[in-house]
Amino acid sequence: DAGVTQSPTHLIKTRGQHVTLRCSPISGHKSVSWYQQVLGQGPQFIFQYYEKEERGRGNFPDRFSARQFPNYSSELNVNALLLGDSALYLCASSIQGNQPQHFGDGTRLSIL
Amino acid sequence: QKEVEQNSGPLSVPEGAIASLNCTYSDRGSQSFFWYRQYSGKSPELIMFIYSNGDKEDGRFTAQLNKASQYVSLLIRDSQPSDSATYLCAVTEASGTYKYIFGTGTRLKVLA
Repeated sequence: DAGVTQSPTHLIKTRGQHVTLRCSPISGHKSVSWYQQVLGQGPQFIFQYYEKEERGRGNFPDRFSARQFPNYSSELNVNALLLGDSALYLCASSIQGNQPQHFGDGTRLSIL
Repeated sequence: QKEVEQNSGPLSVPEGAIASLNCTYSDRGSQSFFWYRQYSGKSPELIMFIYSNGDKEDGRFTAQLNKASQYVSLLIRDSQPSDSATYLCAVTEASGTYKYIFGTGTRLKVLA
């Protein structure tokens, strides 16, 4: 079975632009979470969605938004990009919100 | 601010030894506890999860949980050079959002 898939794998943007990152969960998983990981730190929680509804939001500005589609795939949108948004963005899926999460390979976002 | 604390390491152990990785958490109501392994440049990989006080064993890995002391650990028996990685401890918030709070990780080096 396919694991969590994320696209794109790498992305280079400039300050002020916006970006959309995509995630397809493991088949049968209904919960998707997004994390930001900067070098030397653990992943920081951004959002969790379950059955297309937002179930949790981390301490990130309103420039960050997300949604989950009927097929349980998800998008993370970031507007007005800042240099500090450069990071590895990880998507994780689980069967339900309280079950172990499995991570995709991530999208490495670089802001110039 | 709910926190998960880990010693950043590096923790160096000889091949064949037991590696002991520790984690403390601040949210007394946390219910679920996870250990992830992350190789350099890769995404986190689920190693173990534990929900109840006591020990849980899976192959060479043992997770130990003590909720009274707010302490969770991971033991790796017969450590191999391929175990060299950063080990991330994650804890769910008690609020019901199933938000994972990660520590900064402990870097393990297994010396051949």
